[in-house]
Order: sequence, then C-alpha cells, then structure tokens
Amino acid sequence: QVTLQESGPALVKPTQTLTLTCSFSGFSLSSDGMRVSWVRQPPGKALEWLGRIDWDDERFYSTSLRTRLTISKGTSKNQVVLTMTNLDQADTGTYYCARSPGSRYGSDFWGQGTHVTVSS
Amino acid sequence: DIQLTQSPPSLSASVGDTVRITCRASQTMRSFLNWYQQKPGRAPKLLIFAASSLQTGVPSRFSGYRSGSDFILTINNLQPEDFATYYCQQSYSAPNTFGQGTKLEI
Repeated sequence: QVTLQESGPALVKPTQTLTLTCSFSGFSLSSDGMRVSWVRQPPGKALEWLGRIDWDDERFYSTSLRTRLTISKGTSKNQVVLTMTNLDQADTGTYYCARSPGSRYGSDFWGQGTHVTVSS
Repeated sequence: DIQLTQSPPSLSASVGDTVRITCRASQTMRSFLNWYQQKPGRAPKLLIFAASSLQTGVPSRFSGYRSGSDFILTINNLQPEDFATYYCQQSYSAPNTFGQGTKLEI
C-alpha cells in the first residue's frame, strides 16, 4: 500500500526558509524509474510543479524557482525533503508530494497536502 | 519549458452530457501527457496517463487521445461526481509543467 504524507510548519515569516518533508511507504525511491515530485497550489489557483528527485538521485526544478529550491533525500530512506528559501506571501498555498513510477505513468499517488501560510 | 494551454478554462454541462477538454503543447513531445481530476480541498487524482491509458480504478467514461499537438480528455455520460477541475501535465521533459486547469460546472 503506497502512502505519502507531507509535514512541516503551517506558518512561516517572509524571507524565512521553508523545509517540508515527504514521508512515504509502500515503494522504494531506489527502484528504477521511480521519482517523487513536489507540487504546490496557491489558494484558488492552478497546480504548479516545483521539482522532483529521481531514483538515480538526479534532481530537476521549476525554471522560475530553481534558485530558491532544493530537493533532497531525507535522513530516512523513505523521506524526501523540499527546502525553499526567501519565502514571500506569494508562496502561500498547499504543498503536495507525489510519486511516479516513471515518465510514462504520471503521478499515481499523492499526499494529502500541507498548507503553508507566509505572513509576518 | 513546454507550455500547456488548456481550453476551455471553464465549462458548464449537465448530468449525462459528453464533454471534451483540450490541452495543447507548445512543442512536439512524446505522448507523456497525463490528466488529473481535482475536487476542492483534495489532492489531484490521476485519470489518464500516456495520453490514452486509463489509470486503474478510473471509470471507462473517461478517455483520452492525441491529435498532433493537442491532447483531448473526453468524459462521456457525465455523473454528478465528475464536476471538478481537470488538469493536464506533461511528464516528457522537466520541468513537468501543468496546464492552467478546466473547471467543469453544472
């Protein structure tokens, strides 16, 4: 049974750094082709792909956010960590992690999402 | 980056109708195009992957196909639970961009 769950602070001040953790079970990120992505959604707006980490430890990022994002494997082999620097109110929204078994397959399992508010 | 343009942005329909949502890619790509359904307060749900493959457990009234640079999601015999927002996403090349969404309303 595949599950993913995001965790992290609900409130962050402007200019601070956000760290979110995606804890997953039921699959291995080391399996050939596997990938975990981060996606966010501002209130009332569309989904925005942030980045992903692949089974071979390759990372890819949104073009507009690449200077602020880092995706890494966590201390546990079943965790992926998203770090976003220099937060702004425009970064308020729900952040999801999702897994995909390969480029052909889409993201078939998602976490429930964690809402982050950027406010002083 | 590959840009995905969805149309229409919103759509009104009735139970039993057939609707089509289009996603146009800004450049040639393989058929690594996925469709998701999202309801308010919920995570997206994968409906279709690789343009036309139905995800396990998704009703057969959902289908997808490709016509050149256009990818089309068709929903036949609309059911009350189908009223939601639909997104396309390409997984052909990073960044794996999403379309802007289509809100399907009664």
